[in-house]
Order: sequence, then C-alpha cells, then structure tokens
Amino acid sequence: KAGVTQTPRYLIKTRGQQVTLSCSPISGHRSVSWYQQTPGQGLQFLFEYFSETQRNKGNFPGRFSGRQFSNSRSEMNVSTLELGDSALYLCASSITTGFSPLHFGNGTRLTVT
Amino acid sequence: AQTVTQSQPEMSVQEAETVTLSCTYDTSENNYYLFWYKQPPSRQMILVIRQEAYKQQNATENRFSVNFQKAAKSFSLKISDSQLGDTAMYFCAFMNPVVNNAGNMLTFGGGTRLMVKP
Repeated sequence: KAGVTQTPRYLIKTRGQQVTLSCSPISGHRSVSWYQQTPGQGLQFLFEYFSETQRNKGNFPGRFSGRQFSNSRSEMNVSTLELGDSALYLCASSITTGFSPLHFGNGTRLTVT
Repeated sequence: AQTVTQSQPEMSVQEAETVTLSCTYDTSENNYYLFWYKQPPSRQMILVIRQEAYKQQNATENRFSVNFQKAAKSFSLKISDSQLGDTAMYFCAFMNPVVNNAGNMLTFGGGTRLMVKP
C-alpha cells in the first residue's frame, strides 16, 4: 500500500507570492491533517479535513487555507508569503479519528526568500 | 489548552544500552491519547508507540515501552537494546478527540534529539 505522498518535496518562493502544496493520503484514509514544523516554533497544527469538511483549525492567519477533494486528496495554500512561512510542511492521513494512527508524509520544505 | 513538555533537548546512548526519554503534559481532561513519534533525517514522522489514558497498563512495542503516570501527567519512553537506527528526533504528542471536535489534532512537545553511539 502506498504511503502518504506530498508534492513537491522542495519549493523556493519569493515574499508576496502564493504557494500550493499537495497531499495524497493512503488509500481509504478520510482524514488529512497539516502541520508546520520550524526550528523556533516546533510542530504546530494547521488544520484537518475529514470527508471534504474542515474539522479543526489551528492558530494561523487567514493566509493559510486548505481544502480536501472527494478522493481525499488535500491541498494547502499560503498566500502573500512571508519569510516566517519558511518551514517543513507535513501532511498526515488517518482512517478515522482519535486512536487511529496518523501516517505522515515526507513533507514539503518551503523556503521563502 | 493542552501543553506537552520534553525537558531533554538532546540525549545520547551507547548501542545496546537502555535510554529513557521524558515527557510531561498538562490537561484538565480525563480521556485522551498519548503518542511517541520518531523523526529520522529522512523527515518522515513514524509512530513508535501509543497509549490510551483510560488504560492503566503501559504500552509496549518490541524494544519500546512507556511509563504512563496519569496522576503525575507523565509519559516517558524507554528504548531497550538501542540500535544505531534509533538515532532520530523523538516527539511526544497529545490528542483529545472529544475536545477537538472529534478530530485528529496532535499537540507536540519540542522534541528530544537522540544519538545512538557505536
């Protein structure tokens, strides 16, 4: 069974631009979560989608948004990029909720210059 | 809000020896889940072990076991017979699906960098 796939693996953008990251969950998984990982703030929850509905949202500005498609694939978008948005963005999928283990992808490394 | 604290930023252990990583958390809830994740240089987070708060018995997975002390809000990870492949960042994480709208939101600790030396 294929794991969680995130594309692209690396991305370099300029301040003010926008970016879209993609995540394909494990087949059959309906929940997709996104996390931002930085050296200073550690791992922070961005949002979670379940059956195309946003179920939870972390404490991030409105520039961060996401969506989930009917095949459970998810995208996250960051508009008006700032230098502080440079981070590793991790996607995780799960069959359902709670004690079901989260399976993470290898992440997308975003660098904003 | 829940918080998770890992007080050891870095640790090292000799191959084949045992090491314990500490984790404490703060919550007013009674039912929740706790996890340890490993992140090797490949960046992929891998689930090591998980514990349901209502279970008193400590979880074990091969060489990995936890010491769950609910009253003390402590959740330490013991790695026995350490191997070179155990070198990684280890993150303790907390989840309360009831409070978080039945979702999968994890609150992570700051991590412990473990180096296994030959």
